[in-house]
Amino acid sequence: EVQLVESGGVVVQPGRSLRLSCAASGFTFDDYTMHWVRQPPGKGLEWVSLISWNGGSTFYADSVKGRFTISRDNSKNSLYLQMNSLRPEDTALYYCAKDFGEVGATTTSFDYWGQGTLVTVSS
Amino acid sequence: SSELTQGPAVSVALGQTVRITCQGDSLRRYYATWYQQKPGQAPLLVIYGRNNRPSGIPDRFSGSSSGDTASLTITGAQAEDEADYYCNSRDSSGTVVFGGGTKLTVL
Repeated sequence: EVQLVESGGVVVQPGRSLRLSCAASGFTFDDYTMHWVRQPPGKGLEWVSLISWNGGSTFYADSVKGRFTISRDNSKNSLYLQMNSLRPEDTALYYCAKDFGEVGATTTSFDYWGQGTLVTVSS
Repeated sequence: SSELTQGPAVSVALGQTVRITCQGDSLRRYYATWYQQKPGQAPLLVIYGRNNRPSGIPDRFSGSSSGDTASLTITGAQAEDEADYYCNSRDSSGTVVFGGGTKLTVL
């Protein structure tokens, strides 16, 4: 059974940093592109970032570029999101999601999602 | 980056057919993917590619596309289909963009 379990969400002051983690199991983690998607309370989904199967390619939404860094440790079946210079508008439930694409491919179809970890940026 | 536009809300009578649309320039080049999200739950993939359903998604869900508009059609809507629906697609810069979501009410 595929499982994605996010952790690391807390209440943090503006300008501070936070690192989110996503523990994956039930599939060959290093075969797949992984994504972070966020959802502010009561609002829609916003794609945040993706990382290719080997970490060689990363992409970011304009809203987080230069502040967030996605990474992965395939030996630990884990995905990370380093979030720096946090702003109130970064407040959201952060999901990690598995790309549906065949081994090594990147698509926009996410077939498994975690339950999310809540980040609240507030003074 | 590109934008995908969805209507905020749509309603359908139980057992009838409803179409949810997603409009954007990137859809002229890339397929839309559709997700269903119920309150308190993570999104669920319902349609990907040209018109493909993951295992376990009922065949009353179908996808189509014409020009810059992609559509999700539910034929014979059920009460359990009441949810928010989101489209997404790739944009020209290689990143991913989501539509704003459509709230479906089944009457």
